[in-house]
Amino acid sequence: DAGITQSPRHKVTETGTPVTLRCHQTENHRYMYWYRQDPGHGLRLIHYSYGVKDTDKGEVSDGYSVSRSKTEDFLLTLESATSSQTSVYFCASHGTVSTDTQYFGPGTRLTVL
Amino acid sequence: QKEVEQNSGPLSVPEGAIASLNCTYSDRGSQSFFWYRQYSGKSPELIMSIYSNGDKEDGRFTAQLNKASQYVSLLIRDSQPSDSATYLCAVENSGGSNYKLTFGKGTLLTVNP
Repeated sequence: DAGITQSPRHKVTETGTPVTLRCHQTENHRYMYWYRQDPGHGLRLIHYSYGVKDTDKGEVSDGYSVSRSKTEDFLLTLESATSSQTSVYFCASHGTVSTDTQYFGPGTRLTVL
Repeated sequence: QKEVEQNSGPLSVPEGAIASLNCTYSDRGSQSFFWYRQYSGKSPELIMSIYSNGDKEDGRFTAQLNKASQYVSLLIRDSQPSDSATYLCAVENSGGSNYKLTFGKGTLLTVNP
């Protein structure tokens, strides 16, 4: 398995507060992704990165921003958390071999009260 | 909007039986297809990848791909209680080089002893 860690693993916060989730990978993978997983919706892509400082939006990017200043780290920020952002967040990474695939971190369970 | 549809389940099979999981996709240009297994409270883990039409076997797992019908399936032979999990079908988006995946919502499989 790819060495991907996420922090924190659990977080409870209040509406309107900023929240940053961290993803760290030790595989020197170029591509990194943030997903959220909700019952009835499956895994949905929030943002992704195709290199240091290179990021783009996924299908559910509203209310989220990302940054990638180093290959190994990909940060997801909720500028002002809302209850609709209560979810499980997964980070994934992918190497540059076309037959490779995405490997997932352990997830972060975020509750916004 | 690229779509991936899976039979919603839940699917219940007795131990030792064959479990059949199905997936259809809308992106006709897709070339890479994956099956992930997700245990409750855990992150998705890759169990099969398939890129060419036909069957691909790995132990008790067989993936089948028919690009003309835009259909991919996963067969699990001699199902075991440890196979009880949600199975996610993922299709790599065509038209780009960022290895983005679109996931189905998953099928919950229960294998009864």
